[in-house]
This record gives sequence, structure tokens and C-alpha cells, in this order.
Amino acid sequence: NAGVTQTPKFQVLKTGQSMTLQCAQDMNHEYMSWYRQDPGMGLRLIHYSVGAGITDQGEVPNGYNVSRSTTEDFPLRLLSAAPSQTSVYFCASRGLAGDEQYFGPGTRLTVT
Amino acid sequence: DQQVKQNSPSLSVQEGRISILNCDYTNSMFDYFLWYKKYPAEGPTFLISISSIKDKNEDGRFTVFLNKSAKHLSLHIVPSQPGDSAVYFCAASSGGYQKVTFGTGTKLQVIP
Repeated sequence: NAGVTQTPKFQVLKTGQSMTLQCAQDMNHEYMSWYRQDPGMGLRLIHYSVGAGITDQGEVPNGYNVSRSTTEDFPLRLLSAAPSQTSVYFCASRGLAGDEQYFGPGTRLTVT
Repeated sequence: DQQVKQNSPSLSVQEGRISILNCDYTNSMFDYFLWYKKYPAEGPTFLISISSIKDKNEDGRFTVFLNKSAKHLSLHIVPSQPGDSAVYFCAASSGGYQKVTFGTGTKLQVIP
């Protein structure tokens, strides 16, 4: 099992550019989520999904879109990047029976 | 509104001694609590959890205590080892597929 994979590892964007952060898991987990980590702010939930076709907003959803067309994939889209979106992004998943989330290695995004 | 708070950003402990990390929460609907450990440039990894029906859960050197009346939980590491040096996040949820809220983290340094 690869677990939770994220691509890319690093990305630099200019203000206004768009991009998609990829997240995939091979554990057949229903629940997937996206967090951002900023200094002094901990991990803040952006969006989450409880299954294919179902998504919901977390604490800081503005500026981000998600979709869940398959169980395995949960991409995060930045439509028009802003410097405030400079952060480290983590994708996580968990199954029905477990409460423990499995995290990917993260994507470090810089918006200039 | 920070529903999960870790008021100590950092903690230094001598090797072999006890490390105590604290976490407070405000949402009385939270009924499941978790601790995650994070090394630099890696995703968080699950450490230990506790349900609100218990007041203590132990796993090897790690013990989590829950005081529901005070809305407080703590993680004890005994004995502390240099490899325990990491950022520790407290997290809480109201069960099932409800979203998980994280605290801001405490950076633990175990001094050899």
C-alpha cells in the first residue's frame, strides 16, 4: 500500500494563477480531507468528503474548490492563487471503522 | 474561534523524564480525542486516542488523560526519548464522520 500520496511536493505560483493539488489513497477510505498548516495556526480544515460525490466545507474553504468523483482521489483546486494561500497542504483519509486519519507527506506551496 | 487549544507552543524535557502536553477544548459536543505527532517535512502520524466514555488510555510509553468536566486532556510520555522530539497536535471530533478539529501544536524537545 502506498497509503496517501500527494503531488507535487513543492510548487511556486504567481498571484492569479490556478493549479490543482493532487491527493490519492489506496486504502478504500470513505473519508478524505484537506488541511493547511501555517505557523502558529496548527492544522486548519479546508474541505472534506465522506464519499464519492459528497463534499463539505471546513474552517477555511474560501479560495479553494474540491470534488470527489472516485473513492481514491480528492483533488484541491486553487482557481486564482493569492499570497495568503502560501502554506503547507496536507491531505488525509480514514475509513469507516477507524477514527485515525492517515496523512500524506504534504505539498509546500508558495504564491508570489 | 479556536475550539481546540494548546496553550504551550513549546516544551523542553530531559531525556528519561516525563513530558506532559496539554490540550483544552470548548465544544462540549466533542466526544473523541486524538494526538498526532509530526516531524519536519513529514505528514502527521497518529499516536493515541481516547473516547469520551473513558478517562485514560495507555499505549506503551504514551498515556492520554481526559477530564471532561474541565474540558481538558493531556498526553504523558514516560520516559521521554530524543526521538520523541517533534510537534504534537491535539485533535477532537464529535464522532462518526464529523470533521476533525486540530489544535495549534506543541513543539517538544527532548534533551539527551
